[in-house]
Amino acid sequence: LAKTTQPISMDSYEGQEVNITCSHNNIATNDYITWYQQFPSQGPRFIIQGYKTKVTNEVASLFIPADRKSSTLSLPRVSLSDTAVYYCLVGSSSGTYKYIFGTGTRLKVLA
Amino acid sequence: KAGVTQTPRYLIKTRGQQVTLSCSPISGHRSVSWYQQTPGQGLQFLFEYFSETQRNKGNFPGRFSGRQFSNSRSEMNVSTLELGDSALYLCASSLRLAAQGRGYNEQFFGPGTRLTVL
Repeated sequence: LAKTTQPISMDSYEGQEVNITCSHNNIATNDYITWYQQFPSQGPRFIIQGYKTKVTNEVASLFIPADRKSSTLSLPRVSLSDTAVYYCLVGSSSGTYKYIFGTGTRLKVLA
Repeated sequence: KAGVTQTPRYLIKTRGQQVTLSCSPISGHRSVSWYQQTPGQGLQFLFEYFSETQRNKGNFPGRFSGRQFSNSRSEMNVSTLELGDSALYLCASSLRLAAQGRGYNEQFFGPGTRLTVL
């Protein structure tokens, strides 16, 4: 199973772009990279998923370099409501399935 | 469409007791997964049920068990409660098995049940 490493916490100001990087050095060929967001007292919420290069949706972008050993979640123009914990997950349907969230990155957006 | 619901939202038990938590998935979702979240260990996968069968299991002792009914509703049971079982228990549902097909299928989480063991 690919283990992920993320920064424990980050601070940003409203209106800035925030990039959260996740390291997954032993990612397997079939593994996908998925990001979830969790607000206090709520369950996590799916943000984005990708396999390689770049994926973009209405909420965020996910950048994955060619070696796939890391990935970067990009949140454009954050607001106070983006203050949350962000989890990076790596895995696939092959092999033993363990949905490992890790400890996540606590993002605090300041006014 | 209604989201994932969990009952009760809060629970206080004493050591040695047992507890049953309930989860109702989003209508049409057949997979239900359970997670334990604590400040020290983060979010940990307990098990996943699909079509009334446990399909995947995390690294938790046998005191943690679950089941799924024909309507996809699921219950989780913890027997002989320990102080360390105090946590937020989250339930998540998805249309298919969470890891079926390519990548992970999106899971929709409920608000959780806050269990306190005294």
